[in-house]
This record gives sequence, C-alpha cells and structure tokens, in this order.
Amino acid sequence: AQKVTQAQTEISVVEKEDVTLDCVYETRDTTYYLFWYKQPPSGELVFLIRRNSFDEQNEISGRYSWNFQKSTSSFNFTITASQVVDSAVYFCALSAIRSDYGGATNKLIFGTGTLLAVQP
Amino acid sequence: DTGVSQNPRHKITKRGQNVTFRCDPISEHNRLYWYRQTLGQGPEFLTYFQNEAQLEKSRLLSDRFSAERPKGSFSTLEIQRTEQGDSAMYLCASSLDWADEQYFGPGTRLTVT
Repeated sequence: AQKVTQAQTEISVVEKEDVTLDCVYETRDTTYYLFWYKQPPSGELVFLIRRNSFDEQNEISGRYSWNFQKSTSSFNFTITASQVVDSAVYFCALSAIRSDYGGATNKLIFGTGTLLAVQP
Repeated sequence: DTGVSQNPRHKITKRGQNVTFRCDPISEHNRLYWYRQTLGQGPEFLTYFQNEAQLEKSRLLSDRFSAERPKGSFSTLEIQRTEQGDSAMYLCASSLDWADEQYFGPGTRLTVT
C-alpha cells in the first residue's frame, strides 16, 4: 500500500528562520513520483515540485530546497530565510503508478499536511 | 493560459438534495481528477478521467456519486441525496499526461445542513 506521513502537524517560526518540513513515504513500486504542494489560506493548492524515483539529486529553487533520500524514504522540504508569505499548509504527495485495478493512474496520495506559521 | 476553474465556489444545500459541480480543466490537458478534502486532512482521490473515459473510481465514491466528462473537456460531479458527511471541499485537478504534475482548481466548498 502507498502512504505518506507528515509527522509535523504545526510548525511556528519567526521570520528569517530556516525551517524543514518532513515527509516520509511508503510504496512498493520502483517507479513513482513525489510532490510538494502549498495551500495558502485562500485554499487553492499550488504545485511546488515533482521528483521521480530515479532522480535523487537535491534541488534548489530560490529559498526552497528539497532533499530526496530513497534509503530513508524521505522527501524533505526546506525553506531558507522564511517570510510571512510562506505561511500555509504544505502537503507532500506520492503518485501511485498502479491503481487498485492495475494500470497507470498517477492519482496522488497526500499526507495530512504541515501548517507552517511564520511570525513577523 | 487560464488555470483550472470550478463552479460554484460555495454550495449550501439541505440533506437529501442533489448537487452538481463543474470543473473546467486547463485546455489540452488529457487527464482530469476529482479529490475531496475535509478539514485538517489532505485531499483524497475520488476518480479520474483520461479524455472522456472514466478509468478509476475510489472506494470512497459511493453510488450516490457520479462523474462525467463529455467530449473530454469539462467535467461534472453530481451527488445525489446529499448527507451531512458529504460536507467537504471538492477539488478538481488536471494534467497533461499521466506522469505530469496536477494543477488544482480553487475547489467547491459543499455544506450540507
């Protein structure tokens, strides 16, 4: 079965602090994709990044960076020098390649999310 | 290029009534997904379409729920005989192909009284 665990329910930091959001996943598939989405108070999910299971290179995009480690089944997300605008719920998601009925679906399995509050 | 749009944004209905939601995906996106999100939880998969074909339905989707995507463009999600447990945010997403990232719409918030 596929599963995504985000153990951190809420994190509160002060502006300019660095913060890491943890994500641990479970899957038996050898080919899969991992995602991070941001859900600000407005409610719309915003795509941040997609990584496939064959690419373990870390990625940096501005103040955002992602650390993918297959050995520990983790895909952690770090925000450097956090800002108030980063306040949101962040979801990690796993793409299931095989559906319950077989075949490729790419349906997303989400974790329960981490609420990040950045205080000024 | 416009994003995914959903209508209505909010819907309040009485228990037992039928409701229908609409999703317009990003143009030329072949795949369209429906998810449901309750308070404090991540979105849960309901069903998806490849063009006009509905290829998978979650066990969460009871027989009161039906979805269509005529002509492979917009999609509708209908809930018959609504129950209070149906109260949730219903999210639609689309992607170009099966391995691509999904882009989400703003959602339709359903409240069943």
